[in-house]
This record gives sequence, structure tokens and C-alpha cells, in this order.
Amino acid sequence: GIQVEQSPPDLILQEGANSTLRCNFSDSVNNLQWFHQNPWGQLINLFYIPSGTKQNGRLSATTVATERYSLLYISSSQTTDSGVYFCAVSGGYNKLIFGAGTRLAVHP
Amino acid sequence: DAGVTQSPTHLIKTRGQHVTLRCSPISGHKSVSWYQQVLGQGPQFIFQYYEKEERGRGNFPDRFSARQFPNYSSELNVNALLLGDSALYLCASSLVWGSGANVLTFGAGSRLTVL
Repeated sequence: GIQVEQSPPDLILQEGANSTLRCNFSDSVNNLQWFHQNPWGQLINLFYIPSGTKQNGRLSATTVATERYSLLYISSSQTTDSGVYFCAVSGGYNKLIFGAGTRLAVHP
Repeated sequence: DAGVTQSPTHLIKTRGQHVTLRCSPISGHKSVSWYQQVLGQGPQFIFQYYEKEERGRGNFPDRFSARQFPNYSSELNVNALLLGDSALYLCASSLVWGSGANVLTFGAGSRLTVL
């Protein structure tokens, strides 16, 4: 099956800093989603991005499907950005395969 | 509009007991999936249902079962609970099944503790 690797595993930032999270996947995919999991466990959709670039406020994402990676950019980070960021992919039929996540802590 | 709703939010069971978790999808969504998230790991796929039929099953023992009702809500059942079944159980709904261009939206989860 498809393997998903996320890096870095842990990230500590000062408020206002920028960061880039990476997701590598081992095979072609037709679905790629980025999620933010808050401290209460809720998985929040950030982007559906199997290819191309999207932006939403301080967040943006780019997926280069031919090279099998996706990047999530967080600019001007805030303490509310803390939590775990997951990349999840599917090769078909909507079964999502999740990476191990990047644990982000933003300090004031 | 209501999102994906799950119940109960928290529950505690003892080894050997049975548990039923419930999920209501977003209105209009016909596909429901279940995921298990053990502490410190990413969610793992358990089941997917579409139009009341099982469309996919992950690598979980037969103690795990699920079903989807005519109103597209779903139940996940786990029999003979083990300590290792302690986890956050997440339900996701999507509009359709079988298409890659299909965003999954997750509920807040049911946190199960097995003592």
C-alpha cells in the first residue's frame, strides 16, 4: 500500500514565525488532504489538494504529484496554530492513509 | 448546517465488554468511514460504507463490525474489548464513493477507554 511520511515530526516556533511542513508519498494518489487536529481531537480540513497550489489566509499548500510530495506553509504563526498536522492520501475509493503527523507548538 | 456528529463523546468500558459507537453524516452525504486513532499515531482506516453496503475494510479483527442505516447514519460495534482497543474512534462522511475528487469531513470522535 501507499506509504506516507511527514517531516519534521516535531516543530517549536515563536509566535509570528513561518514554517513549512512536508508530506512524501510513495505512489500516485487521487486524493490528498491536510488536516489540523486540535487538542480535543477534532480533525479540521485544511486543504483538499491532490495537485496544484491553494491558499487560505495564512495557510497555503502545494502538491507536486509527479514528484510525490506536498508542502503546507504556515505564515505568521499564532498560538492557536498549535496541534498536530496530518497529511492523508488515497489511491482510490476514498480510503485515506495518514502520515504520523507533525506536532507543532507555537509559543507566545 | 450540522457537521458529522458522533456519540457518545467519551466512554469507559472494561475488558470483554461490547461497545456501540454512532455517527450521523453531513446531510446529503451517502458515504461513512470509520477510523481508529491510538494515542500518538495517525488515524487508521477500519470500514467504509456507501449506500448501506460495505465498500472497504481495513486490517482489523472480526470483533469489529459496522453497518449503515437507510438514513445513512452508521454504527461501529466492537465485541470482546481489549485494552488495546482504547483509542479515539473517528467517523468521516463524504458525498459519494469511488471518486478521487471527494473530500472527507471528520466528526469530533468518540474516545473509548478500556480498563
